Amino acid sequence: NAGVTQTPKFQVLKTGQSMTLQCAQDMNHNSMYWYRQDPGMGLRLIYYSASEGTTDKGEVPNGYNVSRLNKREFSLRLESAAPSQTSVYFCASSEFGRTLNTEAFFGQGTRLTVV
Amino acid sequence: AQKITQTQPGMFVQEKEAVTLDCTYDTSDQSYGLFWYKQPSSGEMIFLIYQGSYDEQNATEGRYSLNFQKARKSANLVISASQLGDSAMYFCAMRAFSGGYNKLIFGAGTRLAVHP
Repeated sequence: NAGVTQTPKFQVLKTGQSMTLQCAQDMNHNSMYWYRQDPGMGLRLIYYSASEGTTDKGEVPNGYNVSRLNKREFSLRLESAAPSQTSVYFCASSEFGRTLNTEAFFGQGTRLTVV
Repeated sequence: AQKITQTQPGMFVQEKEAVTLDCTYDTSDQSYGLFWYKQPSSGEMIFLIYQGSYDEQNATEGRYSLNFQKARKSANLVISASQLGDSAMYFCAMRAFSGGYNKLIFGAGTRLAVHP
């Protein structure tokens, strides 16, 4: 059971380049999330998708776009990368609904460096 | 607005002793869930324990327990009998409904070092 799969695992971009981080889950979860992790700041929510066809901004959405391609896949796009976007990016998924006790499952992370 | 605060950037503990990692939260929702995750140096996020806002008893999972004080809005993680493998980053997180959606937000984390 693969769980949550993120690609790529590592990436180096030049300032101004664009790229898409891919995320897929095989647990039939409705909700999916993109976070960035920076030293001393924990995981900050970039965008989330409560269910297929919906997306919403999190705490730090500027400079990013997302697409919920289908129930399994949730991609994060950087249109014009900036050094401030150097970070580790995590995708996560969880059940959606009125239940609160379902934990989120995380991908292995993508370490992105913008030079 | 919802917020998670972890005031201890770093903690250390001697092997086999207990340690408490602090977490306070802020939400206006009556129904919410609190989580703790562990992130070892390898980077993966590992779910440890969950506490619901309406749960009357503190959650326990093996050596992990959650000291839930609702009136103080705190959800501290207690690790008993620390082991060297407990050295990691620990994140407190909260799930609540915001605008009808189910968001999961995290604190800044506490780095725990277990000394032999």
